[in-house]
Amino acid sequence: SQELEQSPQSLIVQEGKNLTINCTSSKTLYGLYWYKQKYGEGLIFLMMLQKGGEEKSHEKITAKLDEKKQQSSLHITASQPSHAGIYLCGARGTNAGGTSYGKLTFGQGTILTVHP
Amino acid sequence: EAGVAQSPRYKIIEKRQSVAFWCNPISGHATLYWYQQILGQGPKLLIQFQNNGVVDDSQLPKDRFSAERLKGVDSTLKIQPAKLEDSAVYLCASSLVAGTSSTTQYFGPGTRLTVL
Repeated sequence: SQELEQSPQSLIVQEGKNLTINCTSSKTLYGLYWYKQKYGEGLIFLMMLQKGGEEKSHEKITAKLDEKKQQSSLHITASQPSHAGIYLCGARGTNAGGTSYGKLTFGQGTILTVHP
Repeated sequence: EAGVAQSPRYKIIEKRQSVAFWCNPISGHATLYWYQQILGQGPKLLIQFQNNGVVDDSQLPKDRFSAERLKGVDSTLKIQPAKLEDSAVYLCASSLVAGTSSTTQYFGPGTRLTVL
């Protein structure tokens, strides 16, 4: 089964600083999703990456999927207190034949704290 | 467009009691998922429905958990009897379809269950 490892597990930064969160998979990724979660609440979709080398940006958040499709990174530029929360990467599963199906396997999450 | 709705938001019960959670997906979404998220971990899929049929329930503890999606819209997840280790946030998600190249799962706010 596929496993996702996120690093770091927690991160404390000063407002205005840049930061990076990594997500490493034990298998090739066929669809990598980034979500943000406020404590005790639901997940908010940020971005989805599919192709090796793909990069997407939304406001000050950029996500990349490496060429080998086994690692993704999430980069926040000039962090703000509103960026604080738990960041989760999720990978879509595939069956033995390589066909993608809906189930997402998640990493354990990275807790981000931004001090004003 | 309305998001995924869940109720209740919070529930506290004694062990061995029963509890039920309700989910209303985004209109038109054929696929519905229930995830369990234990504190400090990423969400874990319990069951996936395609319309009113079960696609994947391999990680559902069937001796105590049950779920249904009558008429292919709303869904109910039940725990009977509850154990202490069932304390978690139960997340419902929906997507247009499953297994396609760009299907995104949208999550509800979750139900926080505490078993005493």
